[in-house]
Amino acid sequence: EAGVTQFPSHSVIEKGQTVTLRCDPISGHDNLYWYRRVMGKEIKFLLHFVKESKQDESGMPNNRFLAERTGGTYSTLKVQPAELEDSGVYFCASSQWAVNTEAFFGQGTRLTVV
Amino acid sequence: QQQVKQSPQSLIVQKGGISIINCAYENTAFDYFPWYQQFPGKGPALLIAIRPDVSEKKEGRFTISFNKSAKQFSLHIMDSQPGDSATYFCAASIQLSKTSYDKVIFGPGTSLSVIP
Repeated sequence: EAGVTQFPSHSVIEKGQTVTLRCDPISGHDNLYWYRRVMGKEIKFLLHFVKESKQDESGMPNNRFLAERTGGTYSTLKVQPAELEDSGVYFCASSQWAVNTEAFFGQGTRLTVV
Repeated sequence: QQQVKQSPQSLIVQKGGISIINCAYENTAFDYFPWYQQFPGKGPALLIAIRPDVSEKKEGRFTISFNKSAKQFSLHIMDSQPGDSATYFCAASIQLSKTSYDKVIFGPGTSLSVIP
């Protein structure tokens, strides 16, 4: 069974540019989560989708971040325009039930804004 | 209050030794405490978890100790092996219903290196 897949693995962009991260959850998992880890700090929750609906987006840092989940399948996280402080590793996770503590994580996308 | 503190930031242990990572929390509403293990280039993976109604949980070489009154919990890795070298995150959450949990609050992580 394929795990959670994230694209790209790494992205280096200039401040002010736009970047779109993609997450393909495990097939059949209705729950999809986005997290971010800034260098050396804790992994922070960004938002939670149940199918195509945003269940909880309380962790989204500001309106430069836009997450979508088309048809309840894959999800994208767009940062526009990117700022230096957006650098970090973005993780996606998915679970069948809303038991996010047991969600399966992807390998992450390392975003560097220069 | 939503913060989970974790120490040490990094840890070097000899093969066969005991690795100990400590965590503390403030929010008494937390009722589920998972630990995650992350290898380089991979995402975190659930390792072991405990609820506050028990003081200890053991799975193989991994043991969680929980002190509810002190609001502290720790991970002990017995007979540490080089393959245990990874980043470990403690975390906390609240069970909202039988099938759902509130967002997971992670600690900052501990980088463990087990040297031969």
